[in-house]
Amino acid sequence: DAGVTQSPTHLIKTRGQQVTLRCSPISGHKSVSWYQQVLGQGPQFIFQYYEKEERGRGNFPDRFSARQFPNYSSELNVNALLLGDSALYLCASSWAGTGTEAFFGQGTRLTVV
Amino acid sequence: QQQVKQSPQSLIVQKGGISIINCAYENTAFDYFPWYQQFPGKGPALLIAIRPDVSEKKEGRFTISFNKSAKQFSLHIMDSQPGDSATYFCAALSQETYKYIFGTGTRLKVLA
Repeated sequence: DAGVTQSPTHLIKTRGQQVTLRCSPISGHKSVSWYQQVLGQGPQFIFQYYEKEERGRGNFPDRFSARQFPNYSSELNVNALLLGDSALYLCASSWAGTGTEAFFGQGTRLTVV
Repeated sequence: QQQVKQSPQSLIVQKGGISIINCAYENTAFDYFPWYQQFPGKGPALLIAIRPDVSEKKEGRFTISFNKSAKQFSLHIMDSQPGDSATYFCAALSQETYKYIFGTGTRLKVLA
């Protein structure tokens, strides 16, 4: 069975640009969460979606937005990129709406120059 | 109150030894506590998890010990192997807020 898949794996963007990251959850999983992991730190929660509805939002600016599609895949959008947005962006999926037993993808490494 | 404090920051263990990583939390609303293993350039992989109504859970060489009154939990890796060398994160989830709070990570190195 395929795990959580994220695309692209690596991305280089310029300050001020916009970026869209994509995530396909494990088949049967209806919950998708997004995390930002800066080098040397633990993942920080950005969003959680369940059945296409936003259930949680972390302390990130409005430049960050996300959505979940009818097939439960998800996109994370970041506008007006800053150098500080450079990080590993992780998507996690769970069968439970509460988010337990979350499985992470390999992440998208975003570098902002 | 939302923090999860993890220690040590780094750990070196001989092959065959026991690796112990500790975490502490404050928020009593947390009700699910997983441990994740992460290799460089990869996403975190779920190792083992526990709920607060259980004091210990064992899966293979990995054991979680949970102390609800002290609001602490720990990961024990028995018979540590060089392949266990990775960064380990504890986390806590409140099923009311749907978000995981991660510890700061422990970089484990197992010497051959």
